[in-house]
Amino acid sequence: QLQLQESGPGLVKPSETLSLTCTVSGGSVRSSSYHWDWIRQPPGKGLEWIGSLYSTGSTFYSPSLESRVTISVDTSKSQLSLKLSSVTAADTAVYYCARLAKGTYDYGYIDYWGQGTLVSVSS
Amino acid sequence: DIQMTQSPSTLSASVGDRVTITCRASQSISSWLAWYQQKPGKAPKVLIYKASSLETGVPSRFSGSGSGTEFILTISSLQPEDFATYYCQQYDSYSKTFGQGTKVEVK
Repeated sequence: QLQLQESGPGLVKPSETLSLTCTVSGGSVRSSSYHWDWIRQPPGKGLEWIGSLYSTGSTFYSPSLESRVTISVDTSKSQLSLKLSSVTAADTAVYYCARLAKGTYDYGYIDYWGQGTLVSVSS
Repeated sequence: DIQMTQSPSTLSASVGDRVTITCRASQSISSWLAWYQQKPGKAPKVLIYKASSLETGVPSRFSGSGSGTEFILTISSLQPEDFATYYCQQYDSYSKTFGQGTKVEVK
């Protein structure tokens, strides 16, 4: 059974960089069949797609976050990484990593989610 | 970006009711639409993918329909465990977008 676990600082200061990792167990992060998303959810609000990393190595980011976000994979540690720079209070949210189920002609829907981790931005 | 609009935002219903939630896309997304259920403090869970395909393990009272720009999630007979927030998401575009959510609450 695939399991995803997010980890990282729960508090980040404004203007600094938010860094999270997602440890994947029960499956290989570098499998050619696996693709990954990061999603966030501000307290009391809806879901926001942050970006995707595909098994080909391609990454796509939300246009509203593209200038500040980087998603990468460390296959030796079976971990995904999310970095979001120059954070403000508006970046306070629960951050989820997730696996995509993808066919040939689509960009994939989420079939596995991590439990999420709350990151607050405050001085 | 493709905009996804759900209606209603809140729905009050009773156990046993038939419930429908609508999701509209700002442009055609073929059938590349998923529905998720989220309970408070929990990660979302996929119910329906490709507009009408039931995810393994999801009760058959959940169904999805539609294509192009208009989609519907139906719960045929609402159960106590179905009170939750539901989101649609399009994955036709690399920039995947969610609807704003529909909260199903106790009437």
